[in-house]
Amino acid sequence: GAGVSQSPSNKVTEKGKDVELRCDPISGHTALYWYRQSLGQGLEFLIYFQGNSAPDKSGLPSDRFSAERTGGSVSTLTIQRTQQEDSAVYLCASSRANVLTFGAGSRLTVL
Amino acid sequence: GENVEQHPSTLSVQEGDSAVIKCTYSDSASNYFPWYKQELGKRPQLIIDIRSNVGEKKDQRIAVTLNKTAKHFSLHITETQPEDSAVYFCAPILTGTASKLTFGTGTRLQVTL
Repeated sequence: GAGVSQSPSNKVTEKGKDVELRCDPISGHTALYWYRQSLGQGLEFLIYFQGNSAPDKSGLPSDRFSAERTGGSVSTLTIQRTQQEDSAVYLCASSRANVLTFGAGSRLTVL
Repeated sequence: GENVEQHPSTLSVQEGDSAVIKCTYSDSASNYFPWYKQELGKRPQLIIDIRSNVGEKKDQRIAVTLNKTAKHFSLHITETQPEDSAVYFCAPILTGTASKLTFGTGTRLQVTL
C-alpha cells in the first residue's frame, strides 16, 4: 500500500482481556517499529524488527506484551491481560534509509 | 543506548517570531539527525534531517544545525505561523546498524496570534 496501515483504529476492552493490534508496513521497508504514546506524552519505544535479525524487544514494558512479524511484512502486537495503564495510542512505523513513516495508530482504552 | 534530551519542553512564540529547539544526545557515533513534527491528533512526520558530514541544512522556513563536537543539533523555525504549532521530536541515530530509534522527549511549540 501507499502508507503504513494499522488496525483497529480504536479498541475499547475490559481489564484482563487480551488485545491484538496489527500493522501493515510499506512494501519493501525492512525495518518496523512499535511505539506507545500516552496522552500528551512522548514516543515510548517498544520493539524493533530489522529484516531477518532477532527483534530488539528491550522496550517492552512487561511479559504481557509480545510482538511478531510474519514473513518480514505484517506485524502484530499482542497485549495479554490488559491493565488500565496500557491505555494509550500504539504507533507503528516502517523505515527505509532510517526515515520513519508512521501509521495513524491504534487507540487502546482499557476500562 | 542513546540518551536524548530536548530543550525547552514547551515554547510559546508570537506569530512571525523565530523558534529554536535543541536536541542533545549521548552517542558520539550518531551520524543521522532528523526532526519529526506531530500535530495534535496526528501521526509524527519527518520535516527535516541532516547527516554528519553537513553542518547546516535549510528548507524554506525551517533549518537544522549540527554541532557534533558538543553532541547537539537544533531545529530553527523562522517567521512562525499558527500551523507550526505542534510537538517536535528529534531522533539521532547511527545509520547502517540494527539500532532502535530513540526519540527525544518532545517540545511543544505554541504559536500565538
